[in-house]
Amino acid sequence: DTAVSQTPKYLVTQMGNDKSIKCEQNLGHDTMYWYKQDSKKFLKIMFSYNNKELIINETVPNRFSPKSPDKAHLNLHINSLELGDSAVYFCASSQAHYERGEQFFGPGTRLTVL
Amino acid sequence: QKEVEQNSGPLSVPEGAIASLNCTYSDRGSQSFFWYRQYSGKSPELIMSIYSNGDKEDGRFTAQLNKASQYVSLLIRDSQPSDSATYLCAVTPPNDYKLSFGAGTTVTVRA
Repeated sequence: DTAVSQTPKYLVTQMGNDKSIKCEQNLGHDTMYWYKQDSKKFLKIMFSYNNKELIINETVPNRFSPKSPDKAHLNLHINSLELGDSAVYFCASSQAHYERGEQFFGPGTRLTVL
Repeated sequence: QKEVEQNSGPLSVPEGAIASLNCTYSDRGSQSFFWYRQYSGKSPELIMSIYSNGDKEDGRFTAQLNKASQYVSLLIRDSQPSDSATYLCAVTPPNDYKLSFGAGTTVTVRA
């Protein structure tokens, strides 16, 4: 059984397009996260939701908008894609925000903007 | 100053040797420390956590924490080719909801 799943796994698109990435966890966790990992492998937090409430909103362009319809799902919508958005995007979850050190990661979505 | 700093490597060790990875953090109030392993093309996975000063051993892995020096390390004993990966140090800063990651140290174990 997949614990944290993401779709799609690969996303290739043109500059200026709008795209979404979906994430689901079946661990019963309360807290979910979005990370961006660039070509230098640095893992940067973007957003976090705890029980559908936004608790981390790092400095990212407002073209990025997260949505959490319920605590098992966290989606990421990106408007007007730019070349610099090319990266691997990881979704993760933890039991609760106070257990944020023990996170389970999804397989990642490799986004390529042409 | 970066919140969490690691030597980027790459660190190359012969099979059977000890690999030593270092990490320093800037916020003295940090309480919890973690090591994640990331194989190439895969997602990070948690391999060790440490909360108190001293050593914590789990199989071939030993985490060491020194809060006074704001230093945490990971030792991999009897290194195997399967240990070749990037190791990410992570810290929970106080009064914050996030987990701060270092840039990672890439380890290559040569047979």
